Amino acid sequence: KNQVEQSPQSLIILEGKNCTLQCNYTVSPFSNLRWYKQDTGRGPVSLTIMTFSENTKSNGRYTATLDADTKQSSLHITASQLSDSASYICVVSRSYNTDKLIFGTGTRLQVFP
Amino acid sequence: NAGVTQTPKFQVLKTGQSMTLQCAQDMNHEYMSWYRQDPGMGLRLIHYSVGAGITDQGEVPNGYNVSRSTTEDFPLRLLSAAPSQTSVYFCASSYTQANSPLHFGNGTRLTVT
Repeated sequence: KNQVEQSPQSLIILEGKNCTLQCNYTVSPFSNLRWYKQDTGRGPVSLTIMTFSENTKSNGRYTATLDADTKQSSLHITASQLSDSASYICVVSRSYNTDKLIFGTGTRLQVFP
Repeated sequence: NAGVTQTPKFQVLKTGQSMTLQCAQDMNHEYMSWYRQDPGMGLRLIHYSVGAGITDQGEVPNGYNVSRSTTEDFPLRLLSAAPSQTSVYFCASSYTQANSPLHFGNGTRLTVT
């Protein structure tokens, strides 16, 4: 069964600290893996897209890694800010086409001062 | 540049009523899609369109209709609302169907009583 599982479900950290969110998938075939940030009451916003051949991709303080052999990805947030409080959603594409996306349920991150 | 605009933001319907959720994008994207987001579940694809005049079903299409008469607009119609359709609905668009980041609207929160 094609699944995307994220951990932890929720996370609380202090402002300025780093954190890492995990994503494991069993999706096959694999085309690309995406990370989205969703603020409360808003739509998801794209952070990164990684294909099979990419191991690491950065977007400012966000760094995503991909191990296609173990089917694992992580999103590392450096020097967290209050504005990082959001849900982070891992999405895996089963094919070249965008209509074959499998969404994880997200990790809810809260950053406190 | 407004991106993807959804209206209304909130809606309450009685069982059996019909309504249309509006979605418009100003990025000249060919691909548009509708998702629903329910607690504890990943986003699920309802319908999608790869261009004006072309639509197709996603994972959960029952009870919903779409049409795409222009590149900019992609309305979602609920034919006869049911409590199971209580959800947050997101419209999304991308430049192409493949390997392009999705741009989401800010959602319509629908409650069916």
